Amino acid sequence: EPEVTQTPSHQVTQMGQEVILRCVPISNHLYFYWYRQILGQKVEFLVSFYNNEISEKSEIFDDQFSVERPDGSNFTLKIRSTKLEDSAMYFCASRENRGLTNEKLFFGSGTQLSVL
Amino acid sequence: KQEVTQIPAALSVPEGENLVLNCSFTDSAIYNLQWFRQDPGKGLTSLLLIQSSQREQTSGRLNASLDKSSGRSTLYIAASQPGDSATYLCAVKGTLYNQGGKLIFGQGTELSVKP
Repeated sequence: EPEVTQTPSHQVTQMGQEVILRCVPISNHLYFYWYRQILGQKVEFLVSFYNNEISEKSEIFDDQFSVERPDGSNFTLKIRSTKLEDSAMYFCASRENRGLTNEKLFFGSGTQLSVL
Repeated sequence: KQEVTQIPAALSVPEGENLVLNCSFTDSAIYNLQWFRQDPGKGLTSLLLIQSSQREQTSGRLNASLDKSSGRSTLYIAASQPGDSATYLCAVKGTLYNQGGKLIFGQGTELSVKP
C-alpha cells in the first residue's frame, strides 16, 4: 500500500539552528499538510499546501516556518531558527483531491525533533 | 473555536470485551469526522471517516457513529484483541470548505487490551 515517507525519523539540533524536515507524499495526492504533536499534547495543524501554495496556516506557523515542494515528489518543512518549544513530533500528511470519497488523510510516521 | 474532547483518556480491558470510545466536539457545524489509530513511534492511521450527512461507518470490528446535533461520536470496537492496543484519536473538519481543510484533534484515548 502506498505510504507517506518522512526523513529523518529523529533530528537533534541546537537552539537557533535551521532544520529541514522532509516528506515524500503519496504520488497521486494533491493536498499536503504538516501537523505536529508536542509530547503529551494534542496533534495540532500547522499548514496545508495545494497547487504550489499555502492554502491555510495556523497561528503557530509564523515567519520562522516555511514549506516548499521543490520537485514533483518532495514536500519540506523548514524552521529557520529553532526554539526549545519547537521540540515535537512533526507529521506530514497528504490526500488525493476534492470529493467526499477522497477526504481520508494519510500520515507519515513522523520526525521527532529535539531542540537543545 | 472548535474544541474536541475524548473520554476516557485511558482504558484497559480484557481481551474479547466490546468497548466504546467517546468523542465530543463543541461546534456541530462540521464537514466530517475521522477516527485515527496511533501506535507508539508511528504515524496516524485513518480508521473510519464519517461525512456530516452520515450516521455511522463500519469497517470490520469497528463501528463509528456520529450525532452531529449533539456534538458526539463514538467508536465501537467489538471483540477486542491485544493488537488493538494503541491510542485512538478523533478529529473533525469544519464546514469552511477551502482547499486546506485542517483537522482539529482530540487528545486521544489510550487503549490497552490485556490477553
